[in-house]
Amino acid sequence: GAVVSQHPSWVICKSGTSVKIECRSLDFQATTMFWYRQFPKQSLMLMATSNEGSKATYEQGVEKDKFLINHASLTLSTLTVTSAHPEDSSFYICSARVRALGQPQHFGDGTRLSIL
Amino acid sequence: AQRVTQPEKLLSVFKGAPVELKCNYSYSGSPELFWYVQYSRQRLQLLLRHISRESIKGFTADLNKGETSFHLKKPFAQEEDSAMYYCALSLGGGSEKLVFGKGTKLTVNP
Repeated sequence: GAVVSQHPSWVICKSGTSVKIECRSLDFQATTMFWYRQFPKQSLMLMATSNEGSKATYEQGVEKDKFLINHASLTLSTLTVTSAHPEDSSFYICSARVRALGQPQHFGDGTRLSIL
Repeated sequence: AQRVTQPEKLLSVFKGAPVELKCNYSYSGSPELFWYVQYSRQRLQLLLRHISRESIKGFTADLNKGETSFHLKKPFAQEEDSAMYYCALSLGGGSEKLVFGKGTKLTVNP
């Protein structure tokens, strides 16, 4: 149980393109989803917290106009990297959890984004 | 500020040897601590959490509030334990964010 699916797993696109990444909880309803960014050989850095039906909460230093997050249902959150540039190339990982005391986050496989 | 420190980037042991992956945290509130593991080419997955006080795959971790530590231990390492291990701190009190350490890559040699 508690499977999180992330799509696509790898995307390469030209500079200036907008890229959408989907995160789905397959067998549970995720009241909260999280988006992380991971640079090579570094830890996961939280970008934003996404609650179903409300605006995402962004971490300090993360541009909300650059990284658009939509959490339209209890099983789907999307991250859109708008007008992507080479410096946005990274590994993006989502996680999802049920809002209850002590419940862990369940992670997707991640999306490798490469901007040429 | 909340912080998780994993002092060892790399840790190498022989099969059958004890292993301890260190984790220290900095947080003024009541923490919830987790260990996540990432095997080669697999997603990050929960290994254990301090509130469960359980042993998973032979691993245990005890929260020591006095030393602000949550070290992960296993008495006899196996080759299949080779992976990347991340210690994570949940801020609790209704906050659901996780603060991750930088991770320790464990290699268990035959």
